[in-house]
Amino acid sequence: DAKTTQPPSMDCAEGRAANLPCNHSTISGNEYVYWYRQIHSQGPQYIIHGLKNNETNEMASLIITEDRKSSTLILPHATLRDTAVYYCIVRVASGYQKVTFGTGTKLQVIP
Amino acid sequence: NAGVTQTPKFQVLKTGQSMTLQCAQDMNHEYMSWYRQDPGMGLRLIHYSVGAGITDQGEVPNGYNVSRSTTEDFPLRLLSAAPSQTSVYFCASSTRGDSLSYEQYFGPGTRLTVT
Repeated sequence: DAKTTQPPSMDCAEGRAANLPCNHSTISGNEYVYWYRQIHSQGPQYIIHGLKNNETNEMASLIITEDRKSSTLILPHATLRDTAVYYCIVRVASGYQKVTFGTGTKLQVIP
Repeated sequence: NAGVTQTPKFQVLKTGQSMTLQCAQDMNHEYMSWYRQDPGMGLRLIHYSVGAGITDQGEVPNGYNVSRSTTEDFPLRLLSAAPSQTSVYFCASSTRGDSLSYEQYFGPGTRLTVT
């Protein structure tokens, strides 16, 4: 699996968009970008994934650069409940892989 | 569906004791995994299974055993607990890899303290 790099922490004002970056410069052509989050020591929760097109669901949007070497997770209107650690992972979407969760980005939403 | 369930939620062991952490899922998922998370760190893979009867080691398998006799259950055994195994343990399951929604579902975790 390609390695990812994320900033260790970020702050965001409540109601504003939270933009969480992830670098994955060694990503392979068949690897997807996945995002998970972990709220206060609960089990990680799947958010969204994508290959090369931008994706949106009810939780977030995922913007992947054209060269696919980086991506941004966007929470359009951050709330206090979005305070969590966000993990960016890259992997192929078939077969089983030993997924590695790094230390992620600690997002603090400020009232 | 209950999703992924783990028992117990909390456990305190003395050094040298053994115990089994239970994990069950009711989503008919082929793949199941065990992770540990130490304070301030990411998750590290202990063992995983790609189906009943098939298991393999992850990053940090020493001191742990697993078996997968059914699709639903994937217990993690600590053979002789050590203080270094104090951690939060998460079990996860996922569908087969040919699904493009290949997301992992995590249990609520077991908080283990070894004294």
